[in-house]
Amino acid sequence: EPEVTQTPSHQVTQMGQEVILRCVPISNHLYFYWYRQILGQKVEFLVSFYNNEISEKSEIFDDQFSVERPDGSNFTLKIRSTKLEDSAMYFCASKGADNSYEQYFGPGTRLTVT
Amino acid sequence: GESVGLHLPTLSVQEGDNSIINCAYSNSASDYFIWYKQESGKGPQFIIDIRSNMDKRQGQRVTVLLNKTVKHLSLQIAATQPGDSAVYFCAEKAAGNKLTFGGGTRVLVKP
Repeated sequence: EPEVTQTPSHQVTQMGQEVILRCVPISNHLYFYWYRQILGQKVEFLVSFYNNEISEKSEIFDDQFSVERPDGSNFTLKIRSTKLEDSAMYFCASKGADNSYEQYFGPGTRLTVT
Repeated sequence: GESVGLHLPTLSVQEGDNSIINCAYSNSASDYFIWYKQESGKGPQFIIDIRSNMDKRQGQRVTVLLNKTVKHLSLQIAATQPGDSAVYFCAEKAAGNKLTFGGGTRVLVKP
């Protein structure tokens, strides 16, 4: 069964450093998402991406965040200057046809900012 | 702002019994609802979904009920098994494609 994959599984970085989280969505999917989950809290929407542009973003997704689909398979989330409060699980998700709302989630990347 | 929330943070259930997980939502514009299961160290896994033009949908051992009058969503798991132990999230979709998640309920299955 096709699945969303994410790398790395765990990323440790120092405050102020840039990080790039990588995702490979399901191959025929057209819609891509990033969510995050701070430990013990609910999953929060960050951004959605379709047709090579951001279609929606939350207030969390400020100028420190950016997304990119550099080729036909990867979808990345970049945090330019990490803060302690960016520590969380980051989940990538993808969705197929327009008439389906089901989003498939990857296993997540645990980001720890020290 | 409008949000999705859960009543019970932890539900303990005896193996073989039925589980009921509840979720309240407040956005009357939501047109799609979904239940996810999250096991430790993994991403949310789709269980079942329902559109707002329905009030019940059944899957394998799971049933989702939607009561739009009181803005309530529930997930019923029949004959709960140890493998059902996880955190369960409800999520809703209004305009656009983003999902708004509830806070989660932990289900612990006792042997």
